[in-house]
Amino acid sequence: EADIYQTPRYLVIGTGKKITLECSQTMGHDKMYWYQQDPGMELHLIHYSYGVNSTEKGDLSSESTVSRIRTEHFPLTLESARPSHTSQYLCASSKGLAGEAYEQYFGPGTRLTVT
Amino acid sequence: RKEVEQDPGPFNVPEGATVAFNCTYSNSASQSFFWYRQDCRKEPKLLMSVYSSGNEDGRFTAQLNRASQYISLLIRDSKLSDSATYLCVVGYGQNFVFGPGTRLSVLP
Repeated sequence: EADIYQTPRYLVIGTGKKITLECSQTMGHDKMYWYQQDPGMELHLIHYSYGVNSTEKGDLSSESTVSRIRTEHFPLTLESARPSHTSQYLCASSKGLAGEAYEQYFGPGTRLTVT
Repeated sequence: RKEVEQDPGPFNVPEGATVAFNCTYSNSASQSFFWYRQDCRKEPKLLMSVYSSGNEDGRFTAQLNRASQYISLLIRDSKLSDSATYLCVVGYGQNFVFGPGTRLSVLP
């Protein structure tokens, strides 16, 4: 089992609220990722980080922001939640780069509903 | 055209059947290859990495054909618990590229 955790697992919140989705891993991985996935649809990369103080936007444009102050922690923040943000958010980590054949490990996800 | 394409599915097979999934990728610079399984409303979990020589893990066999840019996954003696969506993942440089997935339902 991968040691990567996400909280909360489920969140229902009203429009306009600020939310932070937490992700932490105890494997000492430098690489961390956030994906967004709607039910029955593909995963889309929204943010990634290659180490402390390194963050980049992914392929899918997102209004969320991320930070990486500690190796083990990679929180995602939405300043003002909207119904269009309703989705599942999956955090992942890996020991090295994709091209180096390191696999990704996923957290259990946060299912967000914005009303 | 998507970077990683998979059989559209769904595959509905009886218990005990052998089923094969195909995946093609467009980037010839791809360096790493994986199969993940994802249960409904759960996170993807690594099933197996795919090596150039092919590899087997119990009932699961993965093959890679770099010349044709093609990956396959064979499941033998399928079980009810194999029902899931199978994701083909290709890596190059800093990128992991996920395919859309193929859904498998194993029927009693």
